[in-house]
Amino acid sequence: NAGVTQTPKFRILKIGQSMTLQCAQDMNHNYMYWYRQDPGMGLKLIYYSVGAGITDKGEVPNGYNVSRSTTEYFPLRLELAAPSQTSVYFCASSYPHRGSGEKLFFGSGTQLSVL
Amino acid sequence: KQEVTQIPAALSVPEGENLVLNCSFTDSAIYNLQWFRQDPGKGLTSLLLIQSSQREQTSGRLNASLDKSSGRSTLYIAASQPGDSATYLCAAGEYGNKLVFGAGTILRVKS
Repeated sequence: NAGVTQTPKFRILKIGQSMTLQCAQDMNHNYMYWYRQDPGMGLKLIYYSVGAGITDKGEVPNGYNVSRSTTEYFPLRLELAAPSQTSVYFCASSYPHRGSGEKLFFGSGTQLSVL
Repeated sequence: KQEVTQIPAALSVPEGENLVLNCSFTDSAIYNLQWFRQDPGKGLTSLLLIQSSQREQTSGRLNASLDKSSGRSTLYIAASQPGDSATYLCAAGEYGNKLVFGAGTILRVKS
């Protein structure tokens, strides 16, 4: 089991460029999430998905788009990159919410700089 | 809107010391409270999940408690070791397994 795999690990973008952050999980988890972590801050939820074809906005969705065509993959698209999107991005997955909730499994992150 | 605060922001202790990390949250209507460990350049590793109906959870040298009525959780680390050095994050669990994170406590255990 590879768990949650994110690519690339590092990326530098110029203002206005676009890119896709890749995320894949091999645990057959229905739920997947994208968080961003700014220096000295907690992680903030960008988008999440409860299954293929179903996505919804989190706390900070502006400037991002997602799609979920399969259970395994949940890519995050940045359109027209801005310096405010410089951050570390984490993808996570979990089983569906049951009772008191489930543990999340995180990828190792993508460090993105927009210059 | 849920807000999660962690105190202290950083902590440095000698090896072998017992220590307590604090987490507070503003909305007591949580499904669970989770503690994570984050190593530099790595992702988050789940340490403990305390269900809303529970008071504490234990894993090895780690013990986490939850007091929903006061909006507080603590992570107790016994007999700290240099390998415990990391950032510890707490998160309040909302419906759909969505988490609201604190900013973390950076722990350094000196040998």
